Formats: sequence, structure tokens, C-alpha cells
Amino acid sequence: ETGVTQTPRHLVMGMTNKKSLKCEQHLGHNAMYWYKQSAKKPLELMFVYNFKEQTENNSVPSRFSPECPNSSHLFLHLHTLQPEDSALYLCASSQQSGEGETQYFGPGTRLLVL
Amino acid sequence: GQSLEQPSEVTAVEGAIVQINCTYQTSGFYGLSWYQQHDGGAPTFLSYNALDGLEETGRFSSFLSRSDSYGYLLLQELQMKDSASYFCAVRGSTTSGTYKYIFGTGTRLKVLA
Repeated sequence: ETGVTQTPRHLVMGMTNKKSLKCEQHLGHNAMYWYKQSAKKPLELMFVYNFKEQTENNSVPSRFSPECPNSSHLFLHLHTLQPEDSALYLCASSQQSGEGETQYFGPGTRLLVL
Repeated sequence: GQSLEQPSEVTAVEGAIVQINCTYQTSGFYGLSWYQQHDGGAPTFLSYNALDGLEETGRFSSFLSRSDSYGYLLLQELQMKDSASYFCAVRGSTTSGTYKYIFGTGTRLKVLA
């Protein structure tokens, strides 16, 4: 039990579908992150939110759309994805987006795009 | 560019000591972290070094040399449960002045009985 939950844990979707991933943290943190983890590749940081404001977008395609309504919740809206987007999507949180903070990860959503 | 390099796989026996190296190249540097990830699980934080030297936490220690852009994770008295992937991660800075997290590709540690 990490204090960061993600739903769904598994998702299969077609390229024309629209779906959303949800992340919730119960740690009182102010920063939240989305990462993509593909086989044989490093964890890729996608988005960073600090105090509900997006502070980083690592050149992520617009078919991925994040939303952070408050410091405890983070969504990743998906539409018209490609098969190469199949991966494990990890959410993380930290006290704030500054030096030396520890990131706490959720269990991830394993996404398969057909 | 910004990158981290670590070995892809390391094998050791129970009770042994293993060292996982990480070399990095980043613009701006704010510290080196290590994370452990078991198959099917989430990465969990192990250690963080902002200054040169060795940090010890139980059986795990982490070392940093900023002048060499190098660090390592040392695992002692290996146990079967230590079989996992270990990632080094560096916090650098972007051109806009925000922080950027970069992870290595991970080192898969296999502990044999």
C-alpha cells in the first residue's frame, strides 16, 4: 500500500476510443507526475503538476491530455492512441516539485492499444 | 543531451555484495536517486544523494561523486527478495529553469540461491 492509487489497473482500448486514467494520492503531497514505462526503455516523465499547476510537459503528443483538479487527483485523458502507446503508465507524487524530494509511485495502469 | 547509463543486468548469489553503477550526463544537477521495482510492482524509493559521499541505509548504501558524474548502489548480504530492477534517477534542470527528472534504463538484479 503506497498511498498512491491508480485506476484502472489494466486497460485495453482501440485506437478510436477515449478513456481516462485516474490517480489519487492520500499523502498530502503538492506535486504529481505522470510517467510512461515501456519495455527496455527508461521511465519517461510526461507531465508534472505542482500545486495544481502544470510545470512540465515533456513534448508529449496531444493525444495525451492531463488534468489536475486538485492536489490529490490527477487524470490522464487518452484519445486516438497508437499501438506504440501501449505501456505501463505510472503516477507519482511528492511533497513538492523541488530538490531532494522523494517520489511515491502508484501501481500503474497497464495499457494495451489495439 | 541528457542521459544516464547503468548495466542492464547483474547476477549474484545470496549473501554476496553487489554494486550497480550509474553514470550521468545532465544540464544542471540536483541529486541522484535510486529506486527499486519488482516485476509487476511500482518503483519504490531507496536512497538519495545530493552531496558527494556514501549514504548508508541498512543493507543498502548509495555513493555519489559529482566531479565524476557517477554514483553507485551497493547491496550487501543479498537476499532472494532483492531480485528486482534498480533505477538510478537524476534531477536536472531544463532551459526554462524547471526541474527535469531523468531515469536510467534500469539494472535487473537476479539473486541466485
